[in-house]
Amino acid sequence: EMVLTQSPATLSVSPGDRATLSCRASQNVRFNLAWYQHKPGQGPRLLISGASTRATGVPARFSGSGSGTEFTLTISSLQSEDLAVYYCQQYNNWITFGQGTRLEIK
Amino acid sequence: EVQLVESGGGLVQPGGSLRLSCAASGFTFKSYEMNWVRQSPGKGLECVSDISASGSPIHYADSVRGRFTISRDNAKNSLFLQMHSLRAEDTAVYYCARLRLSSYMDVWGKGTTVTVSS
Repeated sequence: EMVLTQSPATLSVSPGDRATLSCRASQNVRFNLAWYQHKPGQGPRLLISGASTRATGVPARFSGSGSGTEFTLTISSLQSEDLAVYYCQQYNNWITFGQGTRLEIK
Repeated sequence: EVQLVESGGGLVQPGGSLRLSCAASGFTFKSYEMNWVRQSPGKGLECVSDISASGSPIHYADSVRGRFTISRDNAKNSLFLQMHSLRAEDTAVYYCARLRLSSYMDVWGKGTTVTVSS
């Protein structure tokens, strides 16, 4: 069974600082990983696909990296509107999601 | 504007049935794979089922296989999820999403809430 483990569960970051979110896969998913931003009352928003390709309209401060089993989403300079829960999702073996990282603004 | 709008959620008793609908607009619906993703209270996201552009193949999560049926009407730009034998653990917000290359979801609806309770 494919399991994605995200860390930390909650991250508190000051505006303008860097936020680093991690996602670890229990099996090799190659580059088949996406990241989403989820705000209350909305559907999730695709940020990154293919581990590092930004979706259309996503600000350049969001970047993804990694391959295999270790992945990172970095927000280079946190803005107040980045308050949300962030999920990773693998699509190497159907579709599974991590349990999410809640990003708080300090 | 590309848009997905879910409907059909509500309160249902354990063992009951419900049919969710998703209306698509702003894109060529018949050309895209689609899926249903749910989020249970206090939990993360779970892909429930996906369907190809033509209607086959179809995949289901183990947790719903045999109880849920996904379908689509390309002439009406609509996606459906028929849910039977509902359980308390099916309580969730159900999202309709456009699936790209059987991989990631690039368009999402705002969701419809299903509550299974007596």
